Formats: sequence, structure tokens, C-alpha cells
Amino acid sequence: GENVEQHPSTLSVQEGDSAVIKCTYSDSASNYFPWYKQELGKRPQLIIDIRSNVGEKKDQRIAVTLNKTAKHFSLHITETQPEDSAVYFCAASQYNAGNMLTFGGGTRLMVKP
Amino acid sequence: DGGITQSPKYLFRKEGQNVTLSCEQNLNHDAMYWYRQDPGQGLRLIYYSQIVNDFQKGDIAEGYSVSREKKESFPLTVTSAQQNPTAFYLCASSDLSDRVYGYTFGSGTRLTVV
Repeated sequence: GENVEQHPSTLSVQEGDSAVIKCTYSDSASNYFPWYKQELGKRPQLIIDIRSNVGEKKDQRIAVTLNKTAKHFSLHITETQPEDSAVYFCAASQYNAGNMLTFGGGTRLMVKP
Repeated sequence: DGGITQSPKYLFRKEGQNVTLSCEQNLNHDAMYWYRQDPGQGLRLIYYSQIVNDFQKGDIAEGYSVSREKKESFPLTVTSAQQNPTAFYLCASSDLSDRVYGYTFGSGTRLTVV
């Protein structure tokens, strides 16, 4: 089955700095890679996703890059704000085969004002 | 709750007792999923269902059971065979028929063994 590794487990940045979270996956058949943000005690919220036919996707301050050859993908958050503080999860699935997501272990991002 | 409702929000289970967590969606999504989240950890797949009357085990199905009698409903039973059930349980759904693959999550049920 799929295995997703996520690094770092915690990340502390100053407000305004950039943050990068990296994930690797094991199954070359995976073709869908979403990122979720989870605040304490709340449900995960989808913030951005990418499919394997695309190398990069941006949405305002958030971007995701995908390297299929190396089987890794990254989340980039620019101009971080205190409200970006949360736990971020990467995940991988085959969207055309049931779309069962395998999640990474999470990254706790702390943005210091 | 964004189209997918989980209840109850908090649940307390005594040793040896079975409990059922409810998950209902009105999004007309084909697929539904149950995940378990332990403190400080990622989400692990318990069961999933792509169509009515069919479901498959995920990575940690032992001690759990599900049913999918209606498209809208996917209840999870935590049986007495589950040795360590204290966790945060999340139900999710996704529409496999269009090109939007992100999950919609429910607000979760926090289960505690007392």
C-alpha cells in the first residue's frame, strides 16, 4: 500500500517569512495530492491540491509543487501570518480508483508575530 | 456542517460496550470514509465505501464495523474487540463522478473509554 512521509513535524517561523513542508510517497500509481489544514479540535480543511499531470499550482500565498520522478511534493506558504498557525497534512491517493487518501503524519506550523 | 454531519460530538464508552458513531451527508457523494486520528498524529483509514451495500477495510479495520444501506449514511460501530478506541473519529465523503476529488470532512466524534 501507499506510505506518505512528512517533514518537518514542527516548524516555527516569524510572521512574514516563508514556510515549506515536504512529503514523499511510495506508490508511483498515486495521482492526487491534497493538502489539509487542521486547527485544534476542528475538522481538516482542504487548502490546495494537485494532480499528477501538473507540476505546480498556486493559490494566492499558497503553492504546491510535485516531482513525480522523485515521488515528492511540497507545500509553500509565503508571507506567513499568525492565522496560518495550525497542523498541516499532506496526502496521496489514486483519484480514479476509489480515492482513498493516505495521510502524512502532520506538521505543526507556528507563526510568531 | 458543510453537508456532512457527525454525531455525537463527544461519546463515552464503558469497557466491553459497543458504540455506534453516526455519519450523514447530503452532498450526493458516492464515496464515504472513516478515519481515526490519535493525538499528534495523522489520519488512518478504518473503512471506506464507494457504493451502497459495499464497503472495504482500510488499514486499521480490526475491532470496527460499518454498514452502507443508504447513500447518505455510513455509520461506524466500535466494538468491544477494539482494544484502544479512545481517539478522534472523522467521517469524510468525496464525489467520484466529477473532477473535484477533495474530501469533505465532518466535524468529528471524540470517543473516550471510561
